[in-house]
Amino acid sequence: GAVVSQHPSRVICKSGTSVKIECRSLDFQATTMFWYRQFPKKSLMLMATSNEGSKATYEQGVEKDKFLINHASLTLSTLTVTSAHPEDSSFYICSAPSGVAGGEGTQYFGPGTRLTVL
Amino acid sequence: EDQVTQSPEALRLQEGESSSLNCSYTVSGLRGLFWYRQDPGKGPEFLFTLYSAGEEKEKERLKATLTKKESFLHITAPKPEDSATYLCAVQALLSGGYNKLIFGAGTRLAVHP
Repeated sequence: GAVVSQHPSRVICKSGTSVKIECRSLDFQATTMFWYRQFPKKSLMLMATSNEGSKATYEQGVEKDKFLINHASLTLSTLTVTSAHPEDSSFYICSAPSGVAGGEGTQYFGPGTRLTVL
Repeated sequence: EDQVTQSPEALRLQEGESSSLNCSYTVSGLRGLFWYRQDPGKGPEFLFTLYSAGEEKEKERLKATLTKKESFLHITAPKPEDSATYLCAVQALLSGGYNKLIFGAGTRLAVHP
């Protein structure tokens, strides 16, 4: 199956700082990538759809100024949590679909990034 | 409203005790149903994609089936290494031509020796 990587795997930061998380598709190109958030023992909640060359599409209730998404190339999307606070502590996971466009096809997930805000 | 419900929430099995996990869904414009396995602290690992009612797929001790309203993940003679959370997701077509995955809450499976 396709491989998606994330960096860093875990990060601890102080309240008020910004944190950038990278998501890369290693062996395929992805015009669309997805960012999810997962709380302990809960399922994945879609935060936003990252689109190469255009603005991200955010789910209802997700602050776009808080969670900045940039899809710089066909293999890289970044999520920046700005002015992080303890309530932003969570497990962030990205995915990339194997299809050509519009997010179609099987979505392959990265290993996740554990963010802890002190 | 598009919705995915998984049951049971948690399942404890003895090694070798076969069972099934259920995923029921209501979605307009189903583009596929997906099963993933997730271990603690890791991202979901892809298992199966099912596209049409009657379709079945198998991988080692796992077999996934699909009807018009639900999917089952059958686990035959499970081993302790099958312990994980199993997630079901449906892919729905949104306005604007984008697809998104709608996840169920998952079934936490524990297989004891």
